[in-house]
Amino acid sequence: EAQVTQNPRYLITVTGKKLTVTCSQNMNHEYMSWYRQDPGLGLRQIYYSMNVEATDKGDVPEGYKVSRKEKRNFPLILESPSPNQTSLYFCASSSSRGQGGRYTGELFFGEGSRLTVL
Amino acid sequence: KNQVEQSPQSLIILEGKNCTLQCNYTVSPFSNLRWYKQDTGRGPVSLTIMTFSENTKSNGRYTATLDADTKQSSLHITASQLSDSASYICVVRSLILTGGGNKLTFGTGTQLKVEL
Repeated sequence: EAQVTQNPRYLITVTGKKLTVTCSQNMNHEYMSWYRQDPGLGLRQIYYSMNVEATDKGDVPEGYKVSRKEKRNFPLILESPSPNQTSLYFCASSSSRGQGGRYTGELFFGEGSRLTVL
Repeated sequence: KNQVEQSPQSLIILEGKNCTLQCNYTVSPFSNLRWYKQDTGRGPVSLTIMTFSENTKSNGRYTATLDADTKQSSLHITASQLSDSASYICVVRSLILTGGGNKLTFGTGTQLKVEL
């Protein structure tokens, strides 16, 4: 089954304690991205990756790090979490190639990781 | 500045009734527009994609329309069911290429609740 898998789904941590949220996709997608979703603000992009070893900042990258050492994995790292990073996080992937030669750009999202920083 | 505005912010309807959700955008140049459905506690899932040349597209009880001249899209849900309760997010893709490919602009969503 084609899917994007995030772990953990729920996490409560304390300020300053480093954590990593893992993301893995089994669709051989080149593009992967992290978003945070907050009430009234919608989905905002944190970081994205066009392919292995190619990552770049999105709209709200402060306080986050990512890496893309393998095509299927794109972990999100919070080196020193703060309460304002309490949010619902989504990983998504997309193929750079179209289906039947037509690029659609559909994002496939994980189930989300709800993070609370105390 | 590229923006996507959705209305209403929230909506409550009775099961079996129809409803229409609106999406207005200022994204330019326009590439395509997608409607995603996000069930509570789940990730968004694509319902339909609208390109510049398409006016109407249906996916079961969901019908999306696009007016590229006025930069408006709507999502019409027919004969609503309890399972339609979700957030519906409008996402517009720009033709402008950035380092991350074509730029996406997300709406904040319409929260739909279908009641008995």
